[in-house]
Amino acid sequence: GDSVTQMEGPVTLSEEAFLTINCTYTATGYPSLFWYVQYPGEGLQLLLKATKADDKGSNKGFEATYRKETTSFHLEKGSVQVSDSAVYFCALSEETSGSRLTFGEGTQLTVNP
Amino acid sequence: ETGVTQSPTHLIKTRGQQVTLRCSSQSGHNTVSWYQQALGQGPQFIFQYYREEENGRGNFPPRFSGLQFPNYSSELNVNALELDDSALYLCASSLGGIGGNTIYFGEGSWLTVV
Repeated sequence: GDSVTQMEGPVTLSEEAFLTINCTYTATGYPSLFWYVQYPGEGLQLLLKATKADDKGSNKGFEATYRKETTSFHLEKGSVQVSDSAVYFCALSEETSGSRLTFGEGTQLTVNP
Repeated sequence: ETGVTQSPTHLIKTRGQQVTLRCSSQSGHNTVSWYQQALGQGPQFIFQYYREEENGRGNFPPRFSGLQFPNYSSELNVNALELDDSALYLCASSLGGIGGNTIYFGEGSWLTVV
């Protein structure tokens, strides 16, 4: 079955540091890939997505590139801010699965001033 | 603001009781799915409704059931509550039954079973 594996957290960075959160996936078809962010006590917000190989999703300074050859979708940001502190989830959906998302376990990011 | 609203936001139930959670999907979205997120974990897919029919189910027992109404709003019902059902329940809506469409989440309903 489908699965998503994220780098283990928590991750603690200083403001303006470079961020990478690794995500790899296993899927039977050609999935779409997503990054969601969850702030404390809140629901999930879509951060970015990519629907086919080599697509790059980007939003709010975050980027991720769909790499079919390495089955990866790593999240990056060049300079993090304290307000980026949250839990980040990598997820996939198969072409035929509608809105069924398979999530990774999440990575807690804390950014210190 | 995703346009997906859930109620109630927080509730406490006793083991063995039944609970109903409600979701109003984003305008025009005909697909609703429900997820369970235990503390410190990623959301787990419960089931999905597309045009009022169940259209996919995750690894959850039959005491988890749902409905989708003609206006595409939805309910999640859980019978015979167990302590392990304590979690954040998330509703998500999207347009169409095909993967890749953007999926919008509500703020969730926090359920505590005591």
